[in-house]
Amino acid sequence: DTAVSQTPKYLVTQMGNDKSIKCEQNLGHDTMYWYKQDSKKFLKIMFSYNNKELIINETVPNRFSPKSPDKAHLNLHINSLELGDSAVYFCASSQGSVTSLAKNIQYFGAGTRLSVL
Amino acid sequence: KNEVEQSPQNLTAQEGEFITINCSYSVGISALHWLQQHPGGGIVSLFMLSSGKKKHGRLIATINIQEKHSSLHITASHPRDSAVYICAVKHFGNEKLTFGTGTRLTIIP
Repeated sequence: DTAVSQTPKYLVTQMGNDKSIKCEQNLGHDTMYWYKQDSKKFLKIMFSYNNKELIINETVPNRFSPKSPDKAHLNLHINSLELGDSAVYFCASSQGSVTSLAKNIQYFGAGTRLSVL
Repeated sequence: KNEVEQSPQNLTAQEGEFITINCSYSVGISALHWLQQHPGGGIVSLFMLSSGKKKHGRLIATINIQEKHSSLHITASHPRDSAVYICAVKHFGNEKLTFGTGTRLTIIP
């Protein structure tokens, strides 16, 4: 069973469209993350949710909106897609307690390659 | 300047060589992760360290908190170790992770 699963794996779309990427984890973790990996392979955190509440919101355009219907899911919705949004987006999860280092290992999904034409 | 710096950026070695990848950081951290990204793009978490040393198979990770430095070593390297190795630090007190730019390792048979 896949621990952290993202869909779709590949997403090709036109500029200006609205799209969503879904993420689900079956590890019972409390915290989920979205990362963007640019063309230079640099990973950058975008959002983090703990028990459905937003706890990290890095400087990303308002066109990006995370939605967490429950603690096993963190979806990423992107409005008015732009060429610069082309990247690989990774979802991850961790047990997430800052008081317990043993629970802080992050488990990553396989990534979603988004291409905006 | 990045809060997390890795060196070297690229490393090519012959099969069997001992490999060292370095990571230096400039912020207070509660833990440091080493990740491996395969050529196909998938990311695997290798280690999470807060002090000392950890070993898993041919991989060894060490951290020196005072010097704000960590190293990832690979013994008896093999072509299947070819990947990008990424260091990431967890900021003290929150869930934020900051990543290094990665080290691309190529092991030649």
